[in-house]
Formats: sequence, structure tokens, C-alpha cells
Amino acid sequence: GIQVEQSPPDLILQEGANSTLRCNFSDSVNNLQWFHQNPWGQLINLFYIPSGTKQNGRLSATTVATERYSLLYISSSQTTDSGVYFCAVGIGETSGSRLTFGEGTQLTVNP
Amino acid sequence: GAGVSQSPRYKVAKRGQDVALRCDPISGHVSLFWYQQALGQGPEFLTYFQNEAQLDKSGLPSDRFFAERPEGSVSTLKIQRTQQEDSAVYLCASSVALDYGYTFGSGTRLTVV
Repeated sequence: GIQVEQSPPDLILQEGANSTLRCNFSDSVNNLQWFHQNPWGQLINLFYIPSGTKQNGRLSATTVATERYSLLYISSSQTTDSGVYFCAVGIGETSGSRLTFGEGTQLTVNP
Repeated sequence: GAGVSQSPRYKVAKRGQDVALRCDPISGHVSLFWYQQALGQGPEFLTYFQNEAQLDKSGLPSDRFFAERPEGSVSTLKIQRTQQEDSAVYLCASSVALDYGYTFGSGTRLTVV
């Protein structure tokens, strides 16, 4: 099956710093999503981004499908950004529903 | 409601007991998914519905796991004869279409003792 690798596994920042999270995947995908899992366990959808670039406030994401990677940028980080960030990908026409998640990046933002 | 609702929020089951977990998706969302998340890991796919049709159940770990969505809205994940390895958070997600962003519920934390 498709492999999803996220880096770094852990990241500690001071409030106000910027960061870049990376997601590499092993095959062509037609569905790529970034999620934030907060300390209470809630998974929040950040972006649906199988290709191209999107921005939402302090967050932006870029997927280069031909090179099989995606980047999540967090600018001016806040303590509420803490949690685990997951990249998840779906592959194929009929199985695009099945998302494979990476292991996540654990982000801690200190005040 | 505005989001995906799951119940119960927590469930403690004795080994061998049957459990039923409920998911109420966002109204009008055609696609519904169940995922299992073990502690410290990413969610893993269990099964997928499009309306009432279960199109993919390849992720169900054993024949003790069964899911249904009889009227194309509410879904139930049933686990028979629970085992300790079934302890995990069970997440439900819904989507308006196959390749759109998914909205997850808060999950049901199942502990088998």
C-alpha cells in the first residue's frame, strides 16, 4: 500500500515562530488532506489539497503532486496551534475514499 | 446538527461483551467513514459508505466488526465479543462527496477490560 512519511516527528516552537511540516508519499494520489488533532483529540480538517497551493489565515499548504510531497506552513505560531498535525492521502479512482494517514508531527508551541 | 456527532463519548466494555457505536453525520453528507486510532498513532481506515451502500470494508480487522447505515444517514459500528486489542478511539467522518475534505466527529474511546 501507499506509504506516508511526515517530518519532523516532533517540533517545539516559541510563540510567534514560523514552521514548515513536510509530508512525503510513495505513489500518485487524488486526495490529500491536512488535519490538526488538538490536545482533546478532535481532528480538524485544515486543507483538502491534492495539488497546488491554498492559504487560510496563518496557515498555508502546497502540494507538488509530481514530486509526491506536500508542505504545511504555520506562521506566527500560537499556543493554540499545539497538537498533532496529520497528512492523509487517498489513491486511485474507486478507492479514493480510503485515506492513509502518516504518523503525524507533534507540535508544541510554548508561550 | 452542525458537526458529526458520535456516541457514547466513552465506553468501557468487559472482554467478550458486544458494543455498538453510533455516528450521526452532517445532514446531506453522502459519504461516511469509520477509522480506528490507537494511542500515539494516526487513524486507520475501517470502512466507507456512500449513502446506504457499504462500498469498502477492507479495513475491518476481523469478522467481529460490523458496520451499517441502513437509511443512508446514521451509522452504527458494532464489535462483537470485544478483545483487549480492540481498545482504541473510533472516529467517524463524513463528506459531501468522495474527494472533498472530511469532517470528523469527536470519537468514541473504547476501553476493553
